Amino acid sequence: DAKTTQPPSMDCAEGRAANLPCNHSTISGNEYVYWYRQIHSQGPQYIIHGLKNNETNEMASLIITEDRKSSTLILPHATLRDTAVYYCIVRAPNFGNEKLTFGTGTRLTIIP
Amino acid sequence: EAQVTQNPRYLITVTGKKLTVTCSQNMNHEYMSWYRQDPGLGLRQIYYSMNVEVTDKGDVPEGYKVSRKEKRNFPLILESPSPNQTSLYFCASSSRRITDTQYFGPGTRLTVL
Repeated sequence: DAKTTQPPSMDCAEGRAANLPCNHSTISGNEYVYWYRQIHSQGPQYIIHGLKNNETNEMASLIITEDRKSSTLILPHATLRDTAVYYCIVRAPNFGNEKLTFGTGTRLTIIP
Repeated sequence: EAQVTQNPRYLITVTGKKLTVTCSQNMNHEYMSWYRQDPGLGLRQIYYSMNVEVTDKGDVPEGYKVSRKEKRNFPLILESPSPNQTSLYFCASSSRRITDTQYFGPGTRLTVL
């Protein structure tokens, strides 16, 4: 699986859009970009994933650059409950071990 | 509600006393996995199972056992716990579709004295 690079921490004002970047310059053509988050010490929570098109769901939007070497997770209207560590994970479909390799992530703090 | 449950959520035990952490999912998922999370080391996979009676080692399997006799359950067994197994443990499951997402349990915080 391709390596990802994320800023260690970010702040965002409550109610504003939080934009979390991820660099994955060595991504392969069949690798997807996944985002998970972990609130305090709870179990990681899936947010969104994509291959090359931009994606949106009820939680967030995922913007993937045309060359697929980087992506941005957008939380459109951040709330205090969005304070968490956000992990960008790149992995190919695998019908064997579906292990997720979590890096150090970005610690997002929403400021009231 | 789709969920993965773990029990107990918190456990303090002593070295050498066998224990089992249970994991159950209600989504009919084929794939299940155990991770441990330690400060500075992130989440590391212990064992995984691709279906009933099919289990395999992850990255840090030493000192752990698992079984998968039923699709919904995937217990983690520590036959002789040691202090270095003090950690936060997570169970996860997914349906093994090409891009299916994984659902994680709430975690079990284990302390071995």
